[in-house]
Amino acid sequence: AQSVTQLGSHVSVSEGALVLLRCNYSSSVPPYLFWYVQYPNQGLQLLLKYTSAATLVKGINGFEAEFKKSETSFHLTKPSAHMSDAAEYFCAVSGGHGGSQGNLIFGKGTKLSVKP
Amino acid sequence: NAGVTQTPKFQVLKTGQSMTLQCAQDMNHEYMSWYRQDPGMGLRLIHYSVGAGITDQGEVPNGYNVSRSTTEDFPLRLLSAAPSQTSVYFCASSKPSRRNTEAFFGQGTRLTVV
Repeated sequence: AQSVTQLGSHVSVSEGALVLLRCNYSSSVPPYLFWYVQYPNQGLQLLLKYTSAATLVKGINGFEAEFKKSETSFHLTKPSAHMSDAAEYFCAVSGGHGGSQGNLIFGKGTKLSVKP
Repeated sequence: NAGVTQTPKFQVLKTGQSMTLQCAQDMNHEYMSWYRQDPGMGLRLIHYSVGAGITDQGEVPNGYNVSRSTTEDFPLRLLSAAPSQTSVYFCASSKPSRRNTEAFFGQGTRLTVV
């Protein structure tokens, strides 16, 4: 069964500093992985997705993630944090309940705070 | 392009009342689903549908009912609201033909049961 673990429910960085949000997954089949961002009182917006074509995936707003099969990880990074990056970030794997590829299993989320 | 539209955005119910959360998408997606979001829990799947007339249970289906009579609409019914159903509810849609497809989410419905 698929599962997702996000390490750290809260991460705080200074503006201009590196952002690193950690995600580890468990999957019995080759995974399809996603990072979503949620701004306050908003829905979820896709940041990037791993499609098995390339291990380094670039997304919107300068974010990227690297798929590491040996470490079962899909950590999200951004070289330089901006105040507008403050939000909650969710890692997800597809193929959840019932095995349907449309079902996503989410991690518990990581709230990113950016200090001026 | 409206994407996924949820109504209402906010709702307060008394224990025992029933209501329907509406979800509509205009992208001709066959796959639709409902999640609930609770603090520290991430999003958990309630029910999903792979096409009109086909629905199935997710991880936390108790107390909820769904139907899918059209491709566009996927309403979620609370039969007898309980305080434990206080949550933020998200509807999502996607194309089932691609295994790594993106799910599009609505803006959410914030429900409080008192």
